[in-house]
Amino acid sequence: GAVVSQHPSWVICKSGTSVKIECRSLDFQATTMFWYRQFPKQSLMLMATSNEGSKATYEQGVEKDKFLINHASLTLSTLTVTSAHPEDSSFYICSSFRASGMGYNEQFFGPGTRLTVL
Amino acid sequence: AQTVTQSQPEMSVQEAETVTLSCTYDTSENNYYLFWYKQPPSRQMILVIRQEAYKQQNATENRFSVNFQKAAKSFSLKISDSQLGDTAMYFCAFMGGAGTASKLTFGTGTRLQVTL
Repeated sequence: GAVVSQHPSWVICKSGTSVKIECRSLDFQATTMFWYRQFPKQSLMLMATSNEGSKATYEQGVEKDKFLINHASLTLSTLTVTSAHPEDSSFYICSSFRASGMGYNEQFFGPGTRLTVL
Repeated sequence: AQTVTQSQPEMSVQEAETVTLSCTYDTSENNYYLFWYKQPPSRQMILVIRQEAYKQQNATENRFSVNFQKAAKSFSLKISDSQLGDTAMYFCAFMGGAGTASKLTFGTGTRLQVTL
C-alpha cells in the first residue's frame, strides 16, 4: 500500500498554544486527504475533508476556527490546533484518498499523532 | 447517512482457531465499498480486506475472508488459523461510491485477543 507520513508522532504543549500536524502522501499525489480524531478505546471520527487548493469541508460539530486545515500541495495537508486546551488531547490520524479508474477507491492512513495538552 | 454497526466489542480466540467478526451497515446506495481495518497497539491503521459491492464473489486475502451479504447488509470477517499477531482492534468501514463518497464511516470496533 501507499505510504503516508505524519509529523510529529507525538507532541506535548501548554494550554493556549497552537500545534501544527503535518500529513504527507509520499507515493502519490492526493487531491483529497482526511483528518480523523480518535479517543482512547474508541473508533475514528472524521473531522474534515482536506481538498487541495480549496477550503476544507468540516464535519458537523467540528470548529473550523479551532482546527485549521491547509492543503497547499498535492502531497501535504496540515492540521493546526489553535489555542489548544486539555480537551483537545487526542490521537489525530490523517489519510490520503486515491481513486483509480478501475473503481479501486481506497484511503491510506498515516501513523497518527498523539497530542497532549497540559 | 450511512451507519456501520459492530455488535461485538470484544472477542477472544485461541491460536490456530477460526473467528468471525460481525458487521452490519445501513445505506440507500447501490454502489459502495466495504473495508476491514486492523489497528494494532501501534495504532497504525492497516487494511485487511476490501469488498466492492458490485462484486458477488466474497473477497479473500490469505487467512482473511469475508461473507458479504448485500441484501442483508452484512459484511463479516473470518480469520482462519489465528495468530498472536492478529491481536488488535478491528474496524469495519463503509465508503460510498459517488459524490462525497470517498468518506469512510467506521464501526465502533471489535477488540480481538488471540491466546495461546
